[in-house]
Amino acid sequence: DIQMTQSPSSLSASVGDRVTITCRASQRVDNWLAWYQQKPGKPPKLLISKASTLERGVPSRFSGSGSGTEFTLTISSLQPDDFATYFCQQCDSYPFTFGPGTKVDIK
Amino acid sequence: QVQLVQAGAEVKKPGASVKVSCKVSGDTLNEVSIHWVRQTPGKELEWMGGFDPENDKGDSIYAQRFQGRVTMTEVTSTDTAYLEVRGLKFDDTAVYYCATAQNPLRGANFFDNWGQGTLVTVS
Repeated sequence: DIQMTQSPSSLSASVGDRVTITCRASQRVDNWLAWYQQKPGKPPKLLISKASTLERGVPSRFSGSGSGTEFTLTISSLQPDDFATYFCQQCDSYPFTFGPGTKVDIK
Repeated sequence: QVQLVQAGAEVKKPGASVKVSCKVSGDTLNEVSIHWVRQTPGKELEWMGGFDPENDKGDSIYAQRFQGRVTMTEVTSTDTAYLEVRGLKFDDTAVYYCATAQNPLRGANFFDNWGQGTLVTVS
């Protein structure tokens, strides 16, 4: 199975900060990598697919980059609605696997 | 816009079975590709299985750790998908989500629509 790791596991930031989250895969997944945002009591929401494709309706302050085994999610200017937990997921090979999540909270 | 509506919470005893439903609206079950993901109390997301575009019989593919204990079925007449988990254990306590894969025929198994989740408690 492909193991996904994320760093940091949590971070505290202020509105307006630039935030970067890293996701690493234990083997190459090309660009078959997604980012999700999850808020308490809600299902995950797909933000970015194929490592860098922003989903419709997702604000442009979110961006994704990377290929192979290392990926990043960047929020260029953190907004109050962005405080949540972020997960990466690979779908390069079965079983599909998720990272453990990065919780972004208010400093 | 596809919507997935799941049934309410369940409480089961160890060794029992549970069947979780997921009704599709805004499209038909034939047009979407359903997967099941569970989230543990520690917030870990685990893919359990789902539509396999390479299976000519239309059978789902399952994560090996759930193989033999889980069955995913679909009733197209009611546009409802089901997940059955047998031999429940305490650590099967989780929120179970159904989700649609974006474009599985092109490898894009990114989950773009999610049900609201069904909490299954084994106690």
